[in-house]
Amino acid sequence: SYELTQTSSVSVSPGQTASITCSGDKLGYKYACWYQQKPGQSPVLVIYQDNKRPSGIPERFSGSNSGNTATLTISATQAMDEADYYCQAWDSSNVVFGGGTKLTVL
Amino acid sequence: EVQLVESGGGLVQPGGSLRLSCAASGFPFSRYWMSWVRQAPGKGLEWVANMNQDGTEKYYVDSVKGRFTISRDNAKNSLYLQMNSLRAEDTAAYYCARVYDWSYYYMDVWGKGTTVTVSS
Repeated sequence: SYELTQTSSVSVSPGQTASITCSGDKLGYKYACWYQQKPGQSPVLVIYQDNKRPSGIPERFSGSNSGNTATLTISATQAMDEADYYCQAWDSSNVVFGGGTKLTVL
Repeated sequence: EVQLVESGGGLVQPGGSLRLSCAASGFPFSRYWMSWVRQAPGKGLEWVANMNQDGTEKYYVDSVKGRFTISRDNAKNSLYLQMNSLRAEDTAAYYCARVYDWSYYYMDVWGKGTTVTVSS
């Protein structure tokens, strides 16, 4: 079965750029999306179709997907961005999530 | 307001059954694929099942095949998950989510979730 791999944790200083990666076999040939989940809350879609932002998501969130890696980039990271982030793709009628990355802003 | 509200969670013994419901409002429910996603305590997200607009296509994660059944009633704007032969590892928060675009498969609206605990 298809698997997506994420680094378990990433730390970033406020105002700096955070990069969260998601790896999977030939992931660049699929569409990736990203969800943000804060403690006790439901997931929120922050990037879809590799690099598109839903309405209401700040411009500092961006995405890319090429080769075997999709990347979520958060520019000028703010304290409010501290959360778990999950990548997700679709493969052979199955939806696959990465294991999640905990972003710490310190 | 676009909204999904799950219900039906609770405590159930191993081997027991539970039926989750998801009430949709604020959008044309019958036009969308819908999904169930779960999250075990302290763990990541896991897709459980999804189905197309008229129920003719249904897909499940391997671990629930033969035990869980996804269904919908478009007249009632509702999605369901019938869970049988429940196991301790099914303990999780269960989220209902709208699949905005099947071609690119992303879920743009999520409910707040309902908690299922399987324990004796």
